[in-house]
Amino acid sequence: NAGVMQNPRHLVRRRGQEARLRCSPMKGHSHVYWYRQLPEEGLKFMVYLQKENIIDESGMPKERFSAEFPKEGPSILRIQQVVRGDSAAYFCASSPQAGGTDTQYFGPGTRLTVL
Amino acid sequence: AQSVTQPDIHITVSEGASLELRCNYSYGATPYLFWYVQSPGQGLQLLLKYFSGDTLVQGIKGFEAEFKRSQSSFNLRKPSVHWSDAAEYFCAVGKAAGNKLTFGGGTRVLVKP
Repeated sequence: NAGVMQNPRHLVRRRGQEARLRCSPMKGHSHVYWYRQLPEEGLKFMVYLQKENIIDESGMPKERFSAEFPKEGPSILRIQQVVRGDSAAYFCASSPQAGGTDTQYFGPGTRLTVL
Repeated sequence: AQSVTQPDIHITVSEGASLELRCNYSYGATPYLFWYVQSPGQGLQLLLKYFSGDTLVQGIKGFEAEFKRSQSSFNLRKPSVHWSDAAEYFCAVGKAAGNKLTFGGGTRVLVKP
């Protein structure tokens, strides 16, 4: 059973470009979470999605960031017009269902560098 | 709002010595508590979790943690560390609905030979 997959593992963008980060959850998991880890900091929640629905986006910046989890295919975190402050590691996690007794399994992360 | 504090940013321990990492949380209801480990350049691996029941929880790699409600703590321990335990450790709290995790700032563990 493959774990959570993220690609690319490393992404370099110039200021003003778009970044697309992909996350394929574990087989059988229908809930996806995105977290951001700034240098020397812990992880911060960004967004929680189920298939075709955004459940909680309270951690998403109001502008330039969007996320989706379509019926088919991976979840996508999209950052438009990237700035240097977007440089971070972005982690995706998945779980079979929502609920406090459920465990999130993390992917290896995408490390975004904005030049 | 829930929050997690890991007071120690760095800990250096000799190989074979015991290790304890502190975690304090603030949460208004029954917390769901987790410890994750992150090796350099890697993702997070779950070490152990506490939802209810026995307050002493056993995890992988010889780690255990104890939930103390009166102290709002969930400290992680290992009796004898190995060089491979050098990593960053994150404590996290979740809630029943929504399940987003709030992480502490992490504790980086260095293991001396």
